[in-house]
Amino acid sequence: QKEVEQNSGPLSVPEGAIASLNCTYSDRGSQSFFWYRQYSGKSPELIMFIYSNGDKEDGRFTAQLNKASQYVSLLIRDSQPSDSATYLCAVNYNTDKLIFGTGTRLQVFP
Amino acid sequence: GAGVSQSPRYKVAKRGQDVALRCDPISGHVSLFWYQQALGQGPEFLTYFQNEAQLDKSGLPSDRFFAERPEGSVSTLKIQRTQQEDSAVYLCASRQGPEDTQYFGPGTRLTVL
Repeated sequence: QKEVEQNSGPLSVPEGAIASLNCTYSDRGSQSFFWYRQYSGKSPELIMFIYSNGDKEDGRFTAQLNKASQYVSLLIRDSQPSDSATYLCAVNYNTDKLIFGTGTRLQVFP
Repeated sequence: GAGVSQSPRYKVAKRGQDVALRCDPISGHVSLFWYQQALGQGPEFLTYFQNEAQLDKSGLPSDRFFAERPEGSVSTLKIQRTQQEDSAVYLCASRQGPEDTQYFGPGTRLTVL
């Protein structure tokens, strides 16, 4: 059973819209949560991390965590074509390794 | 400062050959991780070092996979008798401390023919 689930997409949004990316995880002991962006043929790049329930904002990005529902999301405001990439959700289970979802492909069209 | 570097960037091997993949972590980073990323999938954990100690190798798919970090800096992932299913991108990541985040290198794309 996959421990971190993401919709593979593609999620298509128009330029300027809000993109909402979602992730669920299975282990209630999870402690930290990460969103990485990966352009085609490139390595993952950290966008946001969140440890506590609630929202965390950084520029156009907002991470939301709900531990009771085992749900973490990433909102991208004012989406740009340059945001088109695969977004990977990753979870740390009180060990040092990250468990990744399969990623959601986001397409922002002009 | 420089980020995580990996070499070679691309490697083509014939089935049955041995390969060695190198990772240079960010200077001063204590922890080093190896992940395997198949096409269309997220990275999957292989192994983890803290300094020269290999603390977790639970993700290594078989005994053909071996990793080392003898001086606590550069790490090498070795795959013996490569198989077609080993074809993937091998990502290395490093981290300064337990509360830090992992930073990824560019990866090595391995193709086994």
